[in-house]
Amino acid sequence: EVHLVESGGGLVQPGGSLRLSCAASGFIFSNCWMSWVRQAPGKGLEWVANINLDGTEKYYVDSVKGRFTISRDNTKNSLYLQINSLRAEDTAVYFCARAINTGIDFFDSWGQGTLVTVSS
Amino acid sequence: QSALTQPRSVSGSPGQSVTISCTGTTSDVGGYDYVSWYQQHPGKAPKLMIYDVSKRPSGVPDRFSGSKSGNTASLTISGLQAEDEADYYCCSYAGSYTLVFGGGTKLAVL
Repeated sequence: EVHLVESGGGLVQPGGSLRLSCAASGFIFSNCWMSWVRQAPGKGLEWVANINLDGTEKYYVDSVKGRFTISRDNTKNSLYLQINSLRAEDTAVYFCARAINTGIDFFDSWGQGTLVTVSS
Repeated sequence: QSALTQPRSVSGSPGQSVTISCTGTTSDVGGYDYVSWYQQHPGKAPKLMIYDVSKRPSGVPDRFSGSKSGNTASLTISGLQAEDEADYYCCSYAGSYTLVFGGGTKLAVL
């Protein structure tokens, strides 16, 4: 069974940084594209970033380009999201998800999410 | 990367059918057959219900169906049940390895 567990969220001041992690199990992690999707409180889902099998290709939504970095460590079956220069509008639950068909199709498995709160 | 347009809410009685629309452009919904739908109950992770416009993952009841016409995709839920009450989101490939979600639709089962 696919299992994704996010961690690393918390309260951070505007301009601060956080590193989110996602531990994967139950599937061959190195064979799958992975993604981050976020959801602001009471709002809808927003795709944030994709990463390919070996981490050499990364894609982002325009609003986070230059501030967020997606990465992965296939030896640790882990996905990461480094988030810098945080703004109030980055407050959200961040989900990691397994992305199908080179990341352009759908997400078939999701973690439970980790909450990032940006506030002074 | 503008969000796809969904109705804010829809409702139906048990046993009835409801359809949720998802309108985009030729750059996303209309340009690719990579539309998916997700169900989300409060405080829970999203769950895949439909992919590639009209395909159903194993375990999803056949009461859920998807279709697309031009720039608008649709999710139809027939034989509504109380447990179908949730938020529903569409998602489409938008080119250049990016994806876009709809704003979400709250389904109320009256």
